[in-house]
Amino acid sequence: NAGVTQTPKFQVLKTGQSMTLQCAQDMNHNSMYWYRQDPGMGLRLIYYSASEGTTDKGEVPNGYNVSRLNKREFSLRLESAAPSQTSVYFCASSATGGGQPQHFGDGTRLSIL
Amino acid sequence: DQQVKQNSPSLSVQEGRISILNCDYTNSMFDYFLWYKKYPAEGPTFLISISSIKDKNEDGRFTVFLNKSAKHLSLHIVPSQPGDSAVYFCLCYNFNKFYFGSGTKLNVKP
Repeated sequence: NAGVTQTPKFQVLKTGQSMTLQCAQDMNHNSMYWYRQDPGMGLRLIYYSASEGTTDKGEVPNGYNVSRLNKREFSLRLESAAPSQTSVYFCASSATGGGQPQHFGDGTRLSIL
Repeated sequence: DQQVKQNSPSLSVQEGRISILNCDYTNSMFDYFLWYKKYPAEGPTFLISISSIKDKNEDGRFTVFLNKSAKHLSLHIVPSQPGDSAVYFCLCYNFNKFYFGSGTKLNVKP
């Protein structure tokens, strides 16, 4: 099915380890986003990419880096994982540059011990 | 400082009755509003939206109401069905700035 694909679905890390979450969309969308969802907090924007070659910080960018490798792929990297980064991470895409997220992946559940 | 709030974490409704989900925001510059539905272990899916130039938008059983003076947004589901049981998030948007509410878990009882 066409859509947004995230890998992995689950991951457990130790504090200080690094990790890259992968996201790919096959809808030729311009914009891509990374969110984290925490209990009682809704979804908070970490980083977004309005178009290929551009990235911008969202609400909670600290501790993360992103790469818009090409139009299809947008990865999120934790260089030195911390327990506070335990969360469910969602990637999303939108056809319009800078527009609101239209399609979401199924999420990556990340636990940092 | 949450710019978008959904003050009811959960709501339980009988099948066939109306479900009303609420969302309040503080930023008067928001000009586009959306509702998403999320099932467990899946990403949110877009449900319905409304522009700030309107006060109502309807799509089948789903109607979104916007009260700009009160900075209040609501989603009405009529009639509610058990398959509507999910978490509902509102999103408020203005020029590359978009904020989600914390979500309301709706349970529709058969």
